[in-house]
Amino acid sequence: QSALTQPPSASGSPGQSVTISCTGTSSDVGGYNYVSWYQQHPGKAPKLMIYEVSKRPSGVPDRFSGSKSGNTASLTVSGLQAEDEADYYCSSYAGSNNLIFGTGTKVTVL
Amino acid sequence: QVQLVQSGAEVKKPGASVKVSCKASGYTFTSYDINWVRQATGQGLEWMGWMNPNSGNTGYAQKFQGRVTMTRNTSISTAYMELSSLRSEDTAVYYCARGRRFSPWGQGTLVTVSS
Repeated sequence: QSALTQPPSASGSPGQSVTISCTGTSSDVGGYNYVSWYQQHPGKAPKLMIYEVSKRPSGVPDRFSGSKSGNTASLTVSGLQAEDEADYYCSSYAGSNNLIFGTGTKVTVL
Repeated sequence: QVQLVQSGAEVKKPGASVKVSCKASGYTFTSYDINWVRQATGQGLEWMGWMNPNSGNTGYAQKFQGRVTMTRNTSISTAYMELSSLRSEDTAVYYCARGRRFSPWGQGTLVTVSS
């Protein structure tokens, strides 16, 4: 299975919004509501930001939101802050107890 | 608090095996699957497989089948991932992560494969 497709980079100024896409197929993103998003700062372990397409774990700011349409999921970060600068990865259940990650997107706060 | 603490960095020669541990604390170890994910330097995340600590059942990504073994010792709340027939391309940071939501993650273990 190939990795889910994400744009390599995205950017925005403080206070603005940025949206990252995650494109798969009907066998993964489009077939299940099990899309998650992870934030990873340099040299650190990833951190769960969104699970089951749009649910936020406790402690994650409501500036982070997720959605899905067809085979593409999206993560939106509203009111960008300096600490949001990081790599973001999506993942999706792909059936038969398999999981697949996205290619990753580097978010830069200008 | 819920925490996963992994074993330290390893240096291995090509063809050898490596076994990474992941010690859980702050929750009932047998209540959540443990997943393993690796990340080569400057690259993305790659899912390797999962293990149910209660039953010992496992599921491996097709790429690693035949080369990876995931086990556990419930008496010490520790999961293990062993990768055999190492090659240079296996040089990466290996992470464990709890449950279907992959939260939290361990701090990562750098495995370097070099002759």
